Amino acid sequence: QQQVKQSPQSLIVQKGGISIINCAYENTAFDYFPWYQQFPGKGPALLIAIRPDVSEKKEGRFTISFNKSAKQFSLHIMDSQPGDSATYFCAASRNDYKLSFGAGTTVTVRA
Amino acid sequence: DVKVTQSSRYLVKRTGEKVFLECVQDMDHENMFWYRQDPGLGLRLIYFSYDVKMKEKGDIPEGYSVSREKKERFSLILESASTNQTSMYLCASRPSLPRAFFGQGTRLTVV
Repeated sequence: QQQVKQSPQSLIVQKGGISIINCAYENTAFDYFPWYQQFPGKGPALLIAIRPDVSEKKEGRFTISFNKSAKQFSLHIMDSQPGDSATYFCAASRNDYKLSFGAGTTVTVRA
Repeated sequence: DVKVTQSSRYLVKRTGEKVFLECVQDMDHENMFWYRQDPGLGLRLIYFSYDVKMKEKGDIPEGYSVSREKKERFSLILESASTNQTSMYLCASRPSLPRAFFGQGTRLTVV
């Protein structure tokens, strides 16, 4: 059973559009919520992460929104570019450092 | 720069073979992990190690074992490979801070 549920499985967006990926979790002991980006043939790489004491974190065109009461968090990719085409994984971790991953979302940005 | 190296990019093994997947990190990290990645299931934790000769089962340890004789090296062993172990295997290492660094993966096919 997956501890972190991610949707959608895939999405297509036009260049310049906004990509939104959603994740939900049940375990209130989670205290670290990262997003990983994976290009074909590569391992995942950390993109951005948030702790539950803040509701939003922005790094460049990537923003995490966090709703602690709803146990949900999401990734927004603003002004999507073809180079953003990749698979994105949300994850959650407790203080034992094990990461639980969502199922992944394949994002395709059309030029 | 951080580096996690997996010994093989692609492997083809026969059913029943004993298979060794090797992972080396050059960052002196205490924690190392083995995940398998399958479409629609995301990354699932097989085993992890938080110190030399220490190991703990992850979410799907059945059919696998691990070895960590040196801090920089973490091996995943398939005792008797089966076709349902055909997958992408990802090694990761992590310092005391909760950020994981992944290798580029080993795509294993069991025939």
